[in-house]
Amino acid sequence: DQQVKQNSPSLSVQEGRISILNCDYTNSMFDYFLWYKKYPAEGPTFLISISSIKDKNEDGRFTVFLNKSAKHLSLHIVPSQPGDSAVYFCAASAGGSQGNLIFGKGTKLSVKP
Amino acid sequence: DAGVIQSPRHEVTEMGQEVTLRCKPISGHDYLFWYRQTMMRGLELLIYFNNNVPIDDSGMPEDRFSAKMPNASFSTLKIQPSEPRDSAVYFCASTQSLSSRGNQPQHFGDGTRLSIL
Repeated sequence: DQQVKQNSPSLSVQEGRISILNCDYTNSMFDYFLWYKKYPAEGPTFLISISSIKDKNEDGRFTVFLNKSAKHLSLHIVPSQPGDSAVYFCAASAGGSQGNLIFGKGTKLSVKP
Repeated sequence: DAGVIQSPRHEVTEMGQEVTLRCKPISGHDYLFWYRQTMMRGLELLIYFNNNVPIDDSGMPEDRFSAKMPNASFSTLKIQPSEPRDSAVYFCASTQSLSSRGNQPQHFGDGTRLSIL
């Protein structure tokens, strides 16, 4: 059973608009969440993270929101750029450690010029 | 700075052959991870090491898989004998710290695409 779910396999957005990528989790012990971005033929690269003591973390165009009661997090990209086109993975871990990161299956974002 | 380096980038071999995947972590990183990515199961942790010692190998699928880290700058993942269902992309990652407070995310290599015929 998947503990981290990204229910949208793909998302298409116009350049300049907001991209919202969603992630749901089932394990209430998760307390650390990350987003990774992956281009074809490359490894995932870290984008942004959030601890469960916060409900928002922002880094430039990227903001992650955490709703613990709903076991839901989202990544907002504003404004979206064509270079943001990639697969985005949500990941979670428990115990304040990233020793056992559980990844979602990813959402492929396409940003059209 | 050199990132995590994996070799080979692609490997095609016949069923039953031994396969060895290699990884050089980022210098100074004490933790090394091996992941496997498939369409069905996504990205899964196989095993991770701390200071060259295996800490959690619960994700290793079966005895055909083994991983070693003989020193701080080198690790191998071996499959013997290989089977078609082992076909996947295998990633290696490293980090300085496991703590989420340290804000030291895992850095991934570009992976090895393995095809077993």
